[in-house]
Amino acid sequence: DTEVTQTPKHLVMGMTNKKSLKCEQHMGHRAMYWYKQKAKKPPELMFVYSYEKLSINESVPSRFSPECPNSSLLNLHLHALQPEDSALYLCASSQSDSLSNQPQHFGDGTRLSIL
Amino acid sequence: GENVEQHPSTLSVQEGDSAVIKCTYSDSASNYFPWYKQELGKRPQLIIDIRSNVGEKKDQRIAVTLNKTAKHFSLHITETQPEDSAVYFCARGSASKIIFGSGTRLSIRP
Repeated sequence: DTEVTQTPKHLVMGMTNKKSLKCEQHMGHRAMYWYKQKAKKPPELMFVYSYEKLSINESVPSRFSPECPNSSLLNLHLHALQPEDSALYLCASSQSDSLSNQPQHFGDGTRLSIL
Repeated sequence: GENVEQHPSTLSVQEGDSAVIKCTYSDSASNYFPWYKQELGKRPQLIIDIRSNVGEKKDQRIAVTLNKTAKHFSLHITETQPEDSAVYFCARGSASKIIFGSGTRLSIRP
């Protein structure tokens, strides 16, 4: 069972398309994360939301736009992506007492391919 | 620096033998050290974690040791089984985020 649910599982889009990735958790976690993972590499942090507010943006290009509509949902809006943005995009969540010492629970990811 | 150094990058062991993966870090403020297992095509899953107030933690065949003075921590898997084959990532907590090591691809030979 996956407690963090991501949709879609796969996405193929052109460089001019606009699409969104979605993430949902119902564990009552107040911190949510977006990661990018390339093949044979560790997850690379993109954004952190804590109590629905953006707390960390790891200098991510503006073609990636995160949104946290409520404490259970996290979106990643995509526009004008480049081929090098093709990767597995992972969402994670954790209790937010202290973001740096809580286990993170990952979703299954969205495998994104940019044509 | 911010990085976590992880070794080895690949590891092959005979089924039933033990596997050890080591990580080092330099930020003495880190106090949380999780280990994640990622099978091919699947999500990273937390398998064990340790906080800086303990030196060792064990869960069945998996154990983690931490030497805060030397700034290194290790994952030990005993009696390895085919289902242990995966990529393992060490990580450390730092300034509101988790920083991952580069990963170790563990293969279990039958």
